[in-house]
Amino acid sequence: EAQVTQNPRYLITVTGKKLTVTCSQNMNHEYMSWYRQDPGLGLRQIYYSMNVEVTDKGDVPEGYKVSRKEKRNFPLILESPSPNQTSLYFCASTLYSPRDGNEQFFGPGTRLTVL
Amino acid sequence: GDSVTQMEGPVTLSEEAFLTINCTYTATGYPSLFWYVQYPGEGLQLLLKATKADDKGSNKGFEATYRKETTSFHLEKGSVQVSDSAVYFCALSNGGGGNKLTFGTGTQLKVEL
Repeated sequence: EAQVTQNPRYLITVTGKKLTVTCSQNMNHEYMSWYRQDPGLGLRQIYYSMNVEVTDKGDVPEGYKVSRKEKRNFPLILESPSPNQTSLYFCASTLYSPRDGNEQFFGPGTRLTVL
Repeated sequence: GDSVTQMEGPVTLSEEAFLTINCTYTATGYPSLFWYVQYPGEGLQLLLKATKADDKGSNKGFEATYRKETTSFHLEKGSVQVSDSAVYFCALSNGGGGNKLTFGTGTQLKVEL
């Protein structure tokens, strides 16, 4: 089954304690992104990757890091989490296909609370 | 930059009522337009899409037409069901980094018996 998986689904942590949210896709997609969803703001792109070892900032990258060492995996790293990073996070992947309107496939989400 | 504006919710309807959720966009060029749906506790799923002007996307009884002259992509359904209760997001893709989607703020729909 084609899917994007994320772990963990729920995480409660404390300020300053480094954490990693994993993301994996099995569709051989080139492009992967991380978004955060906040009430009244919709989803905003944090970082994206166009291929292995190619990553770049999205609209709200401050406080986050990513890596793309393998095509299927795209972990999101919070080296020193702060309460303003409490949010719902989604990983997404897409095959670059302008004719298909660049459909993105989303993971189930990770709800992060930073105390 | 690109932006998407959609009507604020929540929207509460009775079962079998007609649904319209308004969406307008601002973008250069010719973006692709999407509606995504998020059911409680789940991730986003693509509901429908349109890639050029006057295209109509449709799925599960929902429809939306890409209107370039009014920069709109309103979502409609003739008869909603309780199972349609969810949050609906309008979004556009305009060749941004990583095929970035620019989202509206989402509209919560609640359908009651």
